[in-house]
Amino acid sequence: QKEVEQNSGPLSVPEGAIASLNCTYSDRGSQSFFWYRQYSGKSPELIMFIYSNGDKEDGRFTAQLNKASQYVSLLIRDSQPSDSATYLCAVVGAIQGAQKLVFGQGTRLTINP
Amino acid sequence: DAGVIQSPRHEVTEMGQEVTLRCKPISGHNSLFWYRQTMMRGLELLIYFNNNVPIDDSGMPEDRFSAKMPNASFSTLKIQPSEPRDSAVYFCASSLAGRWGGGQFFGPGTRLTVL
Repeated sequence: QKEVEQNSGPLSVPEGAIASLNCTYSDRGSQSFFWYRQYSGKSPELIMFIYSNGDKEDGRFTAQLNKASQYVSLLIRDSQPSDSATYLCAVVGAIQGAQKLVFGQGTRLTINP
Repeated sequence: DAGVIQSPRHEVTEMGQEVTLRCKPISGHNSLFWYRQTMMRGLELLIYFNNNVPIDDSGMPEDRFSAKMPNASFSTLKIQPSEPRDSAVYFCASSLAGRWGGGQFFGPGTRLTVL
């Protein structure tokens, strides 16, 4: 089992709809969770982080964390074509040290005008 | 504020040559990470430093790879000798480490092509 799993997509969403990106992780002791956005040919950009169970909202983005289910998600409301990118889920695993991020393979998101 | 700075942005070299990649982390950050990204393997952590000390180099593929961080504002990743399979984008990232890890901020990357 991979440590951090994401559906590679591509995920296609119409403009204005809600895009839902999902991620599961294997280390039950994980405490910190991050979402990165990566445009083609560019570097990963940190867009959200969450530490506690529940929802965290920042503008059109909402991160959701359920530690019991070992599941973290990212919702993008009112999707725009500029949201088209690969979204990487990353986890700090407790057993691997407090700084090492483990990345999923990423989900490619396409927003259709 | 300046972000993470990497140089060169592109490097084309021939098999067997030495390659040195450079990174300047964000001022005040105390952790530095070197990653490699390919289509096949995704984003892989090669090595990371905390307060200039290498903490985990388990991702370094083999002895041809070495990394140094002589001070808080500079790090290098060296490949000697280089091979075509080393072709990838190499990212440097930095963070201010908290108890459970701070968010990492990535540089623009160095695209390495080994012929």
